Amino acid sequence: ETGVTQTPRHLVMGMTNKKSLKCEQHLGHNAMYWYKQSAKKPLELMFVYSLEERVENNSVPSRFSPECPNSSHLFLHLHTLQPEDSALYLCASSQEGGGNTEAFFGQGTRLTVV
Amino acid sequence: AQKVTQAQTEISVVEKEDVTLDCVYETRDTTYYLFWYKQPPSGELVFLIRRNSFDEQNEISGRYSWNFQKSTSSFNFTITASQVVDSAVYFCALSGNTGFQKLVFGTGTRLLVSP
Repeated sequence: ETGVTQTPRHLVMGMTNKKSLKCEQHLGHNAMYWYKQSAKKPLELMFVYSLEERVENNSVPSRFSPECPNSSHLFLHLHTLQPEDSALYLCASSQEGGGNTEAFFGQGTRLTVV
Repeated sequence: AQKVTQAQTEISVVEKEDVTLDCVYETRDTTYYLFWYKQPPSGELVFLIRRNSFDEQNEISGRYSWNFQKSTSSFNFTITASQVVDSAVYFCALSGNTGFQKLVFGTGTRLLVSP
């Protein structure tokens, strides 16, 4: 098992659909993140979860709804998306509390909204 | 506000050439962390190095080396004797001392190494 696994790898959805992205980390970390990578913009942080509690929500539209049922799993529920939401969505995890640490990323879900 | 600038959008080199990727950052924090990540075509971000703001020692790891200079707010990355497998997008990133990986990324530098 790789450290951080994301499914699906590719997703095409219509603007009226509801879908979910899944992330699972096998590293025993206590924090998980969603980042968005658009074609024309830098990678940007969307959400941060620590021990299943959301600690950061970077002004993300409500059509993106995260869920963290336990410290190993993170979901991003999508509904009524817009074409400009097409992007690579990257999940990451880290072990926080000890100072020097880094985030480990999954391979991402390439989302296309049509 | 924090900001990371990678002015080089794309660099093309021939195998065995040395190449330096530039990174300039802005922050008001006294304690912060700098990172480099590699993104191959498969998509995942691969961690390369972390530096904290109190450690200005340069680091070498195989063909990779990093030059951190607080005086110029720069954290440059050099690949010596580049190889085709080094072709990827490289991101420099910055985080504060918040206890979480709230990374602010640069726009990335695409490195193309041709045989």
